[in-house]
Amino acid sequence: GAVVSQHPSRVICKSGTSVKIECRSLDFQATTMFWYRQFPKQSLMLMATSNEGSKATYEQGVEKDKFLINHASLTLSTLTVTSAHPEDSSFYICSACRSSTDTQYFGPGTRLTVL
Amino acid sequence: GQQVMQIPQYQHVQEGEDFTTYCNSSTTLSNIQWYKQRPGGHPVFLIQLVKSGEVKKQKRLTFQFGEAKKNSSLHITATQTTDVGTYFCAGAGGTSYGKLTFGQGTILTVHP
Repeated sequence: GAVVSQHPSRVICKSGTSVKIECRSLDFQATTMFWYRQFPKQSLMLMATSNEGSKATYEQGVEKDKFLINHASLTLSTLTVTSAHPEDSSFYICSACRSSTDTQYFGPGTRLTVL
Repeated sequence: GQQVMQIPQYQHVQEGEDFTTYCNSSTTLSNIQWYKQRPGGHPVFLIQLVKSGEVKKQKRLTFQFGEAKKNSSLHITATQTTDVGTYFCAGAGGTSYGKLTFGQGTILTVHP
């Protein structure tokens, strides 16, 4: 149990385009989902916390208008990188948990490359 | 804000040697979690420590949570090549319930 999927696993896009990444909890309902970004050989940096039915809470320094997060259901959260640029190239990982006291279950990640 | 420092950043060991990574938080934590990330993979949950002074074991892995709930360690006995990867601690605490602050990670290389 507690499986989280992400789609796509890998995406290459041109500079200026928008990319949507989906995060799904497959066998449980996730009241909270988290979005992280990880650069090569670095740690996971929390970008935002997403609660179903409410606006996401962004970490300091993360642009809300650039990284649009939608958590429309208890099993799906999406992250849209708008007007992507090469510096947005990174490994984006989501996690989901049943409640704020639950363990976070991580998705397999999405590797974004912006040309 | 909360910061979690993890050392060492890199560790190279010969197969069979022991390995330890340490985490220190700038604030008292409600719990600390440990994850392992294989190269090219995503973090996989290993364990969560909640109680002050808690010690948990998983086969060759021993996890400790400090009495003040601000530091933690992961010790691997007799490393194997399958232990290769990056080990992250992640602290939960403060007012942002459920939010994790990750340490920088320790990249473990095991030489056969």
